[in-house]
Amino acid sequence: EDQVTQSPEALRLQEGESSSLNCSYTVSGLRGLFWYRQDPGKGPEFLFTLYSAGEEKEKERLKATLTKKESFLHITAPKPEDSATYLCAVSGYSSASKIIFGSGTRLSIRP
Amino acid sequence: EAGVTQFPSHSVIEKGQTVTLRCDPISGHDNLYWYRRVMGKEIKFLLHFVKESKQDESGMPNNRFLAERTGGTYSTLKVQPAELEDSGVYFCASSQDVGSYEQYFGPGTRLTVT
Repeated sequence: EDQVTQSPEALRLQEGESSSLNCSYTVSGLRGLFWYRQDPGKGPEFLFTLYSAGEEKEKERLKATLTKKESFLHITAPKPEDSATYLCAVSGYSSASKIIFGSGTRLSIRP
Repeated sequence: EAGVTQFPSHSVIEKGQTVTLRCDPISGHDNLYWYRRVMGKEIKFLLHFVKESKQDESGMPNNRFLAERTGGTYSTLKVQPAELEDSGVYFCASSQDVGSYEQYFGPGTRLTVT
């Protein structure tokens, strides 16, 4: 069964303090791994898709990397506006069109 | 370009009543998905439309839930009769074509069944 586990559940950082969020996944045939950002009361906002091990993508202070078992979302010199819940999700060939979400990491950046 | 829109944003109903949620996908997106997040749990897939056809409805919890997408544009999700465990946030997402795995989400409808 396809599964996604994110850690930590919550992370509090000082502004400018870099860190990484972890996403471990189990999927039979990875079609894509996704990172989303979700603000309170809003829907998930698409950030990245990674397709194969070794792939990396960047957007502003965020960088996502992928291995065969994990993905990391690195946050460099974060700002308070980066505070949100970050969701990892996967789509596998066996699960057809659905994507499987992790429970998310709540990130809080203190000024 | 307008994003995915959902209506209503909130709905409070009593157990046994009926509620209909609506989703308007991004214009030109053939794929439309429904997801649900219940309290304390992760977002879970409900079903997938390709145009007006149900491609995958394996996540629908039971036959009290009925999804339609007439004409391949907007979609409705009806819950009849609603039960307490149906409370949660219902998200709709759309993507451009079958080969695109990037799904764009709406703001969600928060459903509370009392």
